[in-house]
Amino acid sequence: GQQLNQSPQSMFIQEGEDVSMNCTSSSIFNTWLWYKQDPGEGPVLLIALYKAGELTSNGRLTAQFGITRKDSFLNISASIPSDVGIYFCAGQLVQGAQKLVFGQGTRLTINP
Amino acid sequence: GAGVSQSPSNKVTEKGKDVELRCDPISGHTALYWYRQSLGQGLEFLIYFQGNSAPDKSGLPSDRFSAERTGGSVSTLTIQRTQQEDSAVYLCASSSSGSEQFFGPGTRLTVL
Repeated sequence: GQQLNQSPQSMFIQEGEDVSMNCTSSSIFNTWLWYKQDPGEGPVLLIALYKAGELTSNGRLTAQFGITRKDSFLNISASIPSDVGIYFCAGQLVQGAQKLVFGQGTRLTINP
Repeated sequence: GAGVSQSPSNKVTEKGKDVELRCDPISGHTALYWYRQSLGQGLEFLIYFQGNSAPDKSGLPSDRFSAERTGGSVSTLTIQRTQQEDSAVYLCASSSSGSEQFFGPGTRLTVL
């Protein structure tokens, strides 16, 4: 089906470390998005990717749209305490006004 | 602010009662989406509206769930005869481009 497998499910790191998480699917997606969700809040869009192979940065965040269109990764460099939260990948089978399929999330915990 | 707003923020109801959840999208956004997030899970698509087109209801889990969008703006998600498994956070998102969806803070529904 149109499922996204996101890994790892959780990460426990030291402040200052780099973080990497990824999503894979058996389906081809035309758009990949990465969201961050804080407790009690809705997801906030971090990065949107539209082309296979695209590499996009947003501050300390970098995400790539896999060449096969079936995967994407998100890297966070030099983590800081406010990076704590749950990160979700989301894919869109068709670009434009269509539903998003979400991964299960990666819970990031940072030890000061 | 000019973001997506949802009300109520929390709703506690008894099994068998009907509930209505409201979403005010970002002004000018033609697309509106409803998702459901169970505890510790990713988001599950429910329904989306795009302009005056017929809504995509493919994600609604049962006929107890319905939604409408009046005047192309505000949307109401109605759950009839609520069950305990309906307990979740219900998130609304809106979009102008369709690909980049902006989420509200959600309504936490608890069915006793």
